[in-house]
Amino acid sequence: NAGVTQTPKFRVLKTGQSMTLLCAQDMNHEYMYWYRQDPGMGLRLIHYSVGEGTTAKGEVPDGYNVSRLKKQNFLLGLESAAPSQTSVYFCASSLPGVYEQYFGPGTRLTVT
Amino acid sequence: AQSVTQLDSQVPVFEEAPVELRCNYSSSVSVYLFWYVQYPNQGLQLLLKYLSGSTLVKGINGFEAEFNKSQTSFHLRKPSVHISDTAEYFCAVSHSGGSNYKLTFGKGTLLTVNP
Repeated sequence: NAGVTQTPKFRVLKTGQSMTLLCAQDMNHEYMYWYRQDPGMGLRLIHYSVGEGTTAKGEVPDGYNVSRLKKQNFLLGLESAAPSQTSVYFCASSLPGVYEQYFGPGTRLTVT
Repeated sequence: AQSVTQLDSQVPVFEEAPVELRCNYSSSVSVYLFWYVQYPNQGLQLLLKYLSGSTLVKGINGFEAEFNKSQTSFHLRKPSVHISDTAEYFCAVSHSGGSNYKLTFGKGTLLTVNP
């Protein structure tokens, strides 16, 4: 069991470029989440999904889009990156009725 | 809506000393409470959780936390810390009975254990 994996681990983008972060889980979890972590801010929820084909906005969704075409994958897209999106991004997953979320190792994104 | 306040952003302690990391929450509904730990350059892992039952919850690595409903607190304690406990600790809350199991995190407390 790999658990929750994230691709890539590091990325540097120029302002205005686009990219997609991939999250994959092999635990058959129904729910998946994308967070961003900034110094002194804790983790803030960007988007989440309660099942294949469904997505919903979290606390800080602006500038991001997501898709959940397959149950095991949750993609986070940045269409036009901005320096304010420099952050560490974490994906997590969980089962319905179980409040423990399992986290991936994170993706460190720098936008210059 | 709920919120979490971690009262200390940094806590330095010496090895083998006791430690308490403080967490207060605000919510208009019943909540579940969690502590997560993040070691350097890693993701988060669950340390312990309170869902119901005994208000004293024991977790991994010798940590425990006490849920105090009247004070809306969930402080994390360890009687004797090790160098390896150096990490960032996050308190989180979830609406019990909610349908999406979202977590709201505090801003974190960096615990530094010095020799």
